[in-house]
Amino acid sequence: EVQLLESGGGLVQPGGSLRLSCAASGFTFNNFAMSWVRQAPGKGLEWVSAISGRGSTPYYADFLTGRFTISRDNSMNTLYLQMNSLRAEDTAIYYCVKDHKSLQYFDSWGQGTLVTVSS
Amino acid sequence: EIQMTQSPSTMSASVGDRVTITCRASLSISSWLAWYQHKPGKAPKLLIYQASSLESGVPSRFSGSGSGTEFTLTISSLQPDDFATYYCQQYSTYHRTFGQGTKVEIK
Repeated sequence: EVQLLESGGGLVQPGGSLRLSCAASGFTFNNFAMSWVRQAPGKGLEWVSAISGRGSTPYYADFLTGRFTISRDNSMNTLYLQMNSLRAEDTAIYYCVKDHKSLQYFDSWGQGTLVTVSS
Repeated sequence: EIQMTQSPSTMSASVGDRVTITCRASLSISSWLAWYQHKPGKAPKLLIYQASSLESGVPSRFSGSGSGTEFTLTISSLQPDDFATYYCQQYSTYHRTFGQGTKVEIK
């Protein structure tokens, strides 16, 4: 059974940084691209970033303007999202998701971790 | 960025009703479309991929159709467990985008 367990969320001031982690199990981690998808309060789902199975190719939503960095450690079966220069509009639940195949639909989701950007 | 538009945004229905949700893409995405069910406090759940393929374990009352720019999700007979928000998502480009969601409420 695929399991994705996010951690690292919390309250941070505008302009601050956070690093999210996602521990994966139940599948061969390095065979699959992984993504982060977020949901702001009262809003819909929004894709944020993806990374190839080997970790060599990252992809980002245009609105991020270079503030976030996705990475993975295949030896630890862990996905990361480094978030810098955080803004109030980054407040959301961040989901770790497994791509079915590279850059396609998402076949497994974590429970999410809440990031709140507020002074 | 491909825009996805769902309708309606909210709907009220009763157990046993046939429910249809529409999703339109701002340009052709062939059949690169998925549908998800999302309940508060839970992880979203994949229902349909490739516009009409049912994910393993999903009840057969769920079905999807369409191609190009127009797609539908149909629930043939609404069950109590189906009250949730439904999202379409295109994967024609690496920048995956979702519709704004359709909330199915109890009438």
